[in-house]
Amino acid sequence: GENVEQHPSTLSVQEGDSAVIKCTYSDSASNYFPWYKQELGKRPQLIIDIRSNVGEKKDQRIAVTLNKTAKHFSLHITETQPEDSAVYFCAASKGSNYKLTFGKGTLLTVNP
Amino acid sequence: GAGVSQTPSNKVTEKGKYVELRCDPISGHTALYWYRQSLGQGPEFLIYFQGTGAADDSGLPNDRFFAVRPEGSVSTLKIQRTERGDSAVYLCASSLTLAGDGYTFGSGTRLTVV
Repeated sequence: GENVEQHPSTLSVQEGDSAVIKCTYSDSASNYFPWYKQELGKRPQLIIDIRSNVGEKKDQRIAVTLNKTAKHFSLHITETQPEDSAVYFCAASKGSNYKLTFGKGTLLTVNP
Repeated sequence: GAGVSQTPSNKVTEKGKYVELRCDPISGHTALYWYRQSLGQGPEFLIYFQGTGAADDSGLPNDRFFAVRPEGSVSTLKIQRTERGDSAVYLCASSLTLAGDGYTFGSGTRLTVV
């Protein structure tokens, strides 16, 4: 089955700095890669996703890049704000409506 | 409804008891998923329904776990003879099949087995 590794497990940045979270996956058949943000005690919320026919996708301060050859994808957050503080999860699946395999999460802390 | 609704939000039960967790998906969403999230971990897949049928139940940990979706809408996750290791947040999600919109998660049921 699919295995998703996520690094780092914790990340602390100063407000205004950039944050990068990296994930690798094992199943070359995976073609859908969402990122979720989960605040303490809340449900995971989809913040951005990318499909394997695209190398990069941006949405305001958030971007995701995908390297299919290396089976590697990353989340980039620019101009971080304290409200970006949360746990971020990457995931992979063989289609946007099939089961997701999640990484273990990254606790991002943005210090004011 | 406006979102995925899960009840109860919290459930404390004694070891060995039976529990039912309910999920009410977004209206019109035919795909429904159950995940389990332990403290400090990412959600782990349990079971996926397409309509009324379980399309993939490969994530159910053992035969104490069972889920149904008799009318293709509300789903119930049932756990028999609960164990302390079953303590976790049980998340439900739904999506429009083939819409490519991804999941919408509910707020989860926090199950504590004492």
